[in-house]
Amino acid sequence: EVQLVESGGGLVQPGGSLRLTCAASGFSLRTYWMHWVRQAPGKGLVWVSRINDDGDNIMYADSVKGRFTISRDNAKNTLYLQMNSLRAEDTAVYYCVRTLVHSAYDPDDYWGQGTLVTVSS
Amino acid sequence: DIQMTQSPSSLSASVGDRVTITCRASHGIRSDLAWYQQKPGKAPKRLIYGASSLQSGVPFRFSGRGSGTEFTLTISSLQPEDFATYYCLQHNSYPHTFGQGTKLEIK
Repeated sequence: EVQLVESGGGLVQPGGSLRLTCAASGFSLRTYWMHWVRQAPGKGLVWVSRINDDGDNIMYADSVKGRFTISRDNAKNTLYLQMNSLRAEDTAVYYCVRTLVHSAYDPDDYWGQGTLVTVSS
Repeated sequence: DIQMTQSPSSLSASVGDRVTITCRASHGIRSDLAWYQQKPGKAPKRLIYGASSLQSGVPFRFSGRGSGTEFTLTISSLQPEDFATYYCLQHNSYPHTFGQGTKLEIK
């Protein structure tokens, strides 16, 4: 069974850092592009970042560029999101998502359960 | 960046009603659009991909149409489990962008 399990969320002060982890099981992470999507409390979905299978092609939303770093360890079947210089507006549930876009190679839709990040003093 | 304007932001309807939600893209995105359903406290679930193709396992009462800049999601006969929030997502270019969401409520 395919599973994505996020962890690492919590309460952090403005300007602080957190590292989110997404542990994949039931499939080999190394062949899939991975995304992070976030959702502020009571608000809509926002795409955050994407990393390709090799980790050498990365994209970010402008709102997190220069502060967040997406990475992966294919040997550990794990995706990461290093979040620095956190702001109140980064408060959200963060989801890791496999592929996000339907394709013949990956027709299914897999999201983690999300991890809540709260940035507050 | 491509902006996705979704309407309406909320919609009140009854079981058995036919409802349509619209997304407009600020630039042409071909058919690079998906529709998601999200229930409270849960991760989103993809309903439609490629603007009009039904995701495996999704009931046939859901349908999508459009290409370029105008897209619609139609639910032909609302069921109690369909009351949720719906989002469109464009993946034609980065940053990928979601619509603001449509909250579908029971009348």
